[in-house]
Amino acid sequence: QKEVEQDPGPLSVPEGAIVSLNCTYSNSAFQYFMWYRQYSRKGPELLMYTYSSGNKEDGRFTAQVDKSSKYISLFIRDSQPSDSATYLCAMRASGTYKYIFGTGTRLKVLA
Amino acid sequence: DAGVIQSPRHEVTEMGQEVTLRCKPISGHDYLFWYRQTMMRGLELLIYFNNNVPIDDSGMPEDRFSAKMPNASFSTLKIQPSEPRDSAVYFCASSSTFGSGTRLTVV
Repeated sequence: QKEVEQDPGPLSVPEGAIVSLNCTYSNSAFQYFMWYRQYSRKGPELLMYTYSSGNKEDGRFTAQVDKSSKYISLFIRDSQPSDSATYLCAMRASGTYKYIFGTGTRLKVLA
Repeated sequence: DAGVIQSPRHEVTEMGQEVTLRCKPISGHDYLFWYRQTMMRGLELLIYFNNNVPIDDSGMPEDRFSAKMPNASFSTLKIQPSEPRDSAVYFCASSSTFGSGTRLTVV
């Protein structure tokens, strides 16, 4: 079993929809959680960074962490065709900067 | 700020040849990471440095891989000898900012 699991998709939604992207993990020591967006043939770009449990909002993006369930989510409101990309979750424990990445979910927002 | 600069963008080499990938991190960032991305295995951390010192190289696949950071503005990842299974996109990241990657093909 991988430490971080992520559905590869693709996930296709109409423009304006609310998108929910998720990762599950097995290591209860993970405390720091990130979401990256990666366009084709580009490097990943940091979207959201959260520590421990709770919610964090930034514009159309909301990140949620539920440590009791070992489950994190990224919500995208009012999705746009420009949001079409692969979304990667990443996480690490305290005391190390060794990030473990999910394999990514490919999102397509249809105009 | 030009961001993280990686070179070359593309590299095609023959099996057995030495390959050197280069990275210029963002000035002032203390951490530098080397990652490898493939379709099969996703994005994997190979090694990371803090203030030019290697901290964790447990992701380096084998002795054919080596990384150095001689100063705060430059790092290299070397593969010697290269093998077809090393074909991947290699990313350097300065803290949480990724470069554009080097697409390596070993034939």
